[in-house]
Formats: sequence, C-alpha cells, structure tokens
Amino acid sequence: DAGVTQSPTHLIKTRGQHVTLRCSPISGHKSVSWYQQVLGQGPQFIFQYYEKEERGRGNFPDRFSARQFPNYSSELNVNALLLGDSALYLCASSSPMLYGYTFGSGTRLTVV
Amino acid sequence: SQQGEEDPQALSIQEGENATMNCSYKTSINNLQWYRQNSGRGLVHLILIRSNEREKHSGRLRVTLDTSKKSSSLLITASRAADTASYFCATDPGGYQKVTFGIGTKLQVIP
Repeated sequence: DAGVTQSPTHLIKTRGQHVTLRCSPISGHKSVSWYQQVLGQGPQFIFQYYEKEERGRGNFPDRFSARQFPNYSSELNVNALLLGDSALYLCASSSPMLYGYTFGSGTRLTVV
Repeated sequence: SQQGEEDPQALSIQEGENATMNCSYKTSINNLQWYRQNSGRGLVHLILIRSNEREKHSGRLRVTLDTSKKSSSLLITASRAADTASYFCATDPGGYQKVTFGIGTKLQVIP
C-alpha cells in the first residue's frame, strides 16, 4: 500500500507567482493536514480537511488556500508568493487520530 | 505558534548510550505524539501516548507522560548512529483542533 505521496518534490518559483502543491493520502484515510516547516523550526499547522470540509485553519494569510477532493486527495495553493514562503510543505493523513499522522516526504518550495 | 517545547534543543551522545528528550506543553491534551525527522525529509511517527496513560514502550523507545506537569519525555535506549535525527513532540487537543509541534531536539549519535 502506497504511503502519503506529495508532488512535486522540489519547486522554484519567483516572488508574486502562484503555486499548487498536491497530496494523496493513504488509502482509506479521510483526513489531510498541511504543515509548513521553515528550516530549523518545527512544522506549523496550515489546514486540516476531513471529508472534503475544512476543519481547521492555522495562522496563515488568505494567500494560502486548500481543498480536498472526493477521492480525499488535496491541494494547497499559495498566491502572490513571498520570499518568506520558502519552506518544506508537509502533508499528513490520518483516519482518525488513533495512531498519529502519516507524513509525506514533503515539497521543498524555494521562492526567489 | 509552538505548543510544545523540547529540551534540550541539541544533544550529542556516543553510540550505545541512552538519549533522553523532554517536551513541555501549555494546554490540556487528548494525546501526545513523538516524531522523528531525518535531514529535512518527512516526519515519521514513533509513538502516541494518550492523556490517561503514563508510560508506553515501543522497541528501544520509552515515552512517559505527566499531565499534571504538562510534560513528556522520550528515552531512546542503546542508541545507534541511525538514530541521528531531529525529534519532535506534537500535542493533540482532540476533536478537530490542530495538532501542534514543538521546535524539536536535534540528536547526534557518534559512532
């Protein structure tokens, strides 16, 4: 059974551009959460989706948005990229929180 | 914002020694989790301990939880070079509230 898959693995974007990151959860997992991890820090919560509905949102600006599809995969969108958005973006799935999250390998976003 | 704070922030030990990392948190929790991260990759779930549990074991890992002190510890016994990684605690308030990670402890195990 495949784990949590994220795409792309690496991405370089220019300030002001838009980016879409994708995540496929473990089969059967209905909850997807997104985290941002800046170098040297712990992951910061961005969004949680369950059954296609937003269940939680972290302290991030409206430039960040997400959605979950009927097959439980998810997209994270970031508009008007800033240099400070450079980070590792992690997707995690769970169903429900019995055993903790299963994380993907992340998308390394560099904004130049 | 970070809910948990790991202590120490960095730890260097010799192979075969035990490593102890501590986590303190601020608000009440449903469960607390520990994760490992190797060099900027995805996090790997190690162990989950519920608020009504005091101790849990998994292989060479031992986790304790003291909800009265809002603290937890992770003990890795007989450490190996492959244990070199960053370790994070994460607190789960339950329901759909966010799981919040600490800043991590960077462990180096010297062969």
